[in-house]
Amino acid sequence: GDSVTQTEGPVTVSESESLIINCTYSATSIAYPNLFWYVRYPGEGLQLLLKVITAGQKGSSRGFEATYNKETTSFHLQKASVQESDSAVYYCALGDLAYKVIFGKGTHLHVLP
Amino acid sequence: DMKVTQMPRYLIKRMGENVLLECGQDMSHETMYWYRQDPGLGLQLIYISYDVDSNSEGDIPKGYRVSRKKREHFSLILDSAKTNQTSVYFCASSLGGVAETLYFGSGTRLTVL
Repeated sequence: GDSVTQTEGPVTVSESESLIINCTYSATSIAYPNLFWYVRYPGEGLQLLLKVITAGQKGSSRGFEATYNKETTSFHLQKASVQESDSAVYYCALGDLAYKVIFGKGTHLHVLP
Repeated sequence: DMKVTQMPRYLIKRMGENVLLECGQDMSHETMYWYRQDPGLGLQLIYISYDVDSNSEGDIPKGYRVSRKKREHFSLILDSAKTNQTSVYFCASSLGGVAETLYFGSGTRLTVL
């Protein structure tokens, strides 16, 4: 079946440092799945951070970026300069033709002030 | 106000008891989901519902059943709960397209003793 593998956490970085959270996917039910990053801030529910539905395209939101790379089946999340308020759990996910959305295990990010 | 509401937030049950988790959404979304989240495992899809009385198994449906009699309500039922069903359960909804955003509830933490 379809699956998503992402950086195991927790990941700890200092404020203003750069960040990359790796995500790779395996899709057997669909050639080019839709790819998502969701985020859960402390005390809140999961919410969409960004999504990309076309291979080769880049999505961005709140200073985060992710590029859909079909050659390497990757969708890494990057940010040039993190802030303390970015501390959260980040989930990479893929969507298939049956509307099912498969999530990775989540990466807990701690940003030190 | 776009909202997915889950009730109850916390629930403690004894092994063998029946459990009903309720989810409501006010966005007239066609598609609704039930996930469970366990430490180290991320979100696992239990069931997906495409509309009233149109439900499909996810990746881990065993031990669960669902009911959707109105578009805005989606219930998860555990008949004779087991201790290994202790988890956090999340409900989500979406418009129903292949690349649509999922909107999540705040979760129900279920403990089965």
